[in-house]
Amino acid sequence: SQKIEQNSEALNIQEGKTATLTCNYTNYSPAYLQWYRQDPGRGPVFLLLIRENEKEKRKERLKVTFDTTLKQSLFHITASQPADSATYLCALDEGSARQLTFGSGTQLTVLP
Amino acid sequence: NAGVMQNPRHLVRRRGQEARLRCSPMKGHSHVYWYRQLPEEGLKFMVYLQKENIIDESGMPKERFSAEFPKEGPSILRIQQVVRGDSAAYFCASSPPVNAQETQYFGPGTRLLVL
Repeated sequence: SQKIEQNSEALNIQEGKTATLTCNYTNYSPAYLQWYRQDPGRGPVFLLLIRENEKEKRKERLKVTFDTTLKQSLFHITASQPADSATYLCALDEGSARQLTFGSGTQLTVLP
Repeated sequence: NAGVMQNPRHLVRRRGQEARLRCSPMKGHSHVYWYRQLPEEGLKFMVYLQKENIIDESGMPKERFSAEFPKEGPSILRIQQVVRGDSAAYFCASSPPVNAQETQYFGPGTRLLVL
């Protein structure tokens, strides 16, 4: 069966360090993978999209990698700040269907 | 440039009543998606609509749930005869008609509580 797993439900790191979140999937052939941020009581906010033929994508302090052989994406936040504290969701779309399938999320807390 | 709007933000219903959730997509967006987020669970796809058409309803429960996106007005997710298990946050997302960017833009959600 298809599955998306985000490692560790919760991740605590010290301010200024790099946070690394993992998204693994099985039995999918995604055309692209997306990362969203969700704050309590709010809807998800799009952060980055990476396509199957891209290895890495960056946006300011964010970096996403996508390894279709390992079926894994890594999401990095460098120079983390307490304001980065939120739940981060990875989502897959297999291209033919526009629906997104979400992982259960990793709750990141950046400690001052 | 208003984002995706959903109302009401909070909705309380008693078992057996009907719940109507509304979603206005971003300006220029013609694709609407509904997702449900149960407590302590991830977002689950329910239905994908374009104007006047249901494109994919594979995530919708077979009974009591329906969705529409009329030519004029917001998209409506309707839940008839609600039960306690329907208590969840319901999110609407929209995307533009062109496939160049598949990003979906989410609304703030409607939190449904069934007593």
